Amino acid sequence: AQSVSQHNHHVILSEAASLELGCNYSYGGTVNLFWYVQYPGQHLQLLLKYFSGDPLVKGIKGFEAEFIKSKFSFNLRKPSVQWSDTAEYFCAVSGATNKLIFGTGTLLAVQP
Amino acid sequence: NAGVTQTPKFQVLKTGQSMTLQCAQDMNHNSMYWYRQDPGMGLRLIYYSASEGTTDKGEVPNGYNVSRLNKREFSLRLESAAPSQTSVYFCASSEYGGNYGYTFGSGTRLTVV
Repeated sequence: AQSVSQHNHHVILSEAASLELGCNYSYGGTVNLFWYVQYPGQHLQLLLKYFSGDPLVKGIKGFEAEFIKSKFSFNLRKPSVQWSDTAEYFCAVSGATNKLIFGTGTLLAVQP
Repeated sequence: NAGVTQTPKFQVLKTGQSMTLQCAQDMNHNSMYWYRQDPGMGLRLIYYSASEGTTDKGEVPNGYNVSRLNKREFSLRLESAAPSQTSVYFCASSEYGGNYGYTFGSGTRLTVV
């Protein structure tokens, strides 16, 4: 069965620090990969997605993610975080089932 | 466009009461989903409807029922609420299924006392 692992459950950074959130999935076939963000009290919004092609994907608000097939990973990065990036981040994968499977989320707190 | 609309936004129920969570989308999407979100557990799929007229169980269907009323609307019913169903419920829709991502509603925060 497909699964998604997010190893960082809670991350605290200072403004301007660099961010990398880990995401690993277990599925050997073709996958589509997503990162969603949930700001406090709000619904999930799509940050970026990977379907095929260039494994480095750029999303909104300066976020990017790199798909490394050999490592089954899709890590999220941002060179310099802002206080407004405080949110919960979810990695998700879709494959054979054509349904999204979500990781357990990473809560990011950015201190001013 | 409103996107995906959920009602109500907040609800408190007593154990054993029943209620229906409503979800409607105006994007002409074929697939609709109900998830629950609990701290440290991410989003877990309760039920989904791949297309109008079909519904299927997800990962955690026990205690819930669904109705795909038409292409726009997908409701979730709790027949006899239990404290374990205290959660935030999200409805989502997709044009072609999960492979293209979902659009989420704003959620319903349900407390069962």
